[in-house]
Amino acid sequence: DIVLTQSPDSLAVSLGERATINCRSSQSLLSNSNKKNFLAWYRQKPGQPPKLLVSWASARESGVPDRFSGSESGTDFTLTISSLQAEDVAVYYCQQYYSAPLTFGPGTKVGIK
Amino acid sequence: EVQLVESGGGLVQPGGSLRLSCAASGFTFSTYWMNWVRQAPGKGLEWVAIIKQDGSEKYYVDSLRGRFTISRDNAKNSLYLQMNSLRPEDTAVYYCAGGPGFLIDQWGQGTLVTVSS
Repeated sequence: DIVLTQSPDSLAVSLGERATINCRSSQSLLSNSNKKNFLAWYRQKPGQPPKLLVSWASARESGVPDRFSGSESGTDFTLTISSLQAEDVAVYYCQQYYSAPLTFGPGTKVGIK
Repeated sequence: EVQLVESGGGLVQPGGSLRLSCAASGFTFSTYWMNWVRQAPGKGLEWVAIIKQDGSEKYYVDSLRGRFTISRDNAKNSLYLQMNSLRPEDTAVYYCAGGPGFLIDQWGQGTLVTVSS
């Protein structure tokens, strides 16, 4: 099974400042067919289901603010929130959809400093 | 508007069974891979199972294979999860979720399953 690790476990950032969340995969998520990484990022606010923010490691979903961006380097992935807003307080998960069993990272809790 | 509405959760004794349902609307259900994902209280997300559009392929997390069964009825736009031999550690919110492939882009609000005597 593919194991995803996230760092840090939690972070607190001042409003308007940058937040960076890392995700590392135990194996490549790169498809030979489309040369894309099968890695997604979700945001889960308290009491709500997760919401898809980024797919294919760096493709922002329609309607997601452009302060959210995803990047990739081999089996390392990063979600960056360029200017943290109050509504971004949540837990963020990475997930691989390269192969079953699908797996999630343990989550990173983002709060306001 | 895409809607996934779960039902069937509740309190069940250890060793008991429960069948969860998910009613889909607002999209062509038969074109989506569908999943069950669960979240124990205060914990992270755990993927449970996925079923192909026509039901011909099913995959499970290893730890649950044999006790849980995923199924679907495209004529009724519905997804199901049969859960047997339930244990206290199965206590969680169970989400119905789906997407055009293995990527999950739609989620329900979840239904709470509590396993306790």
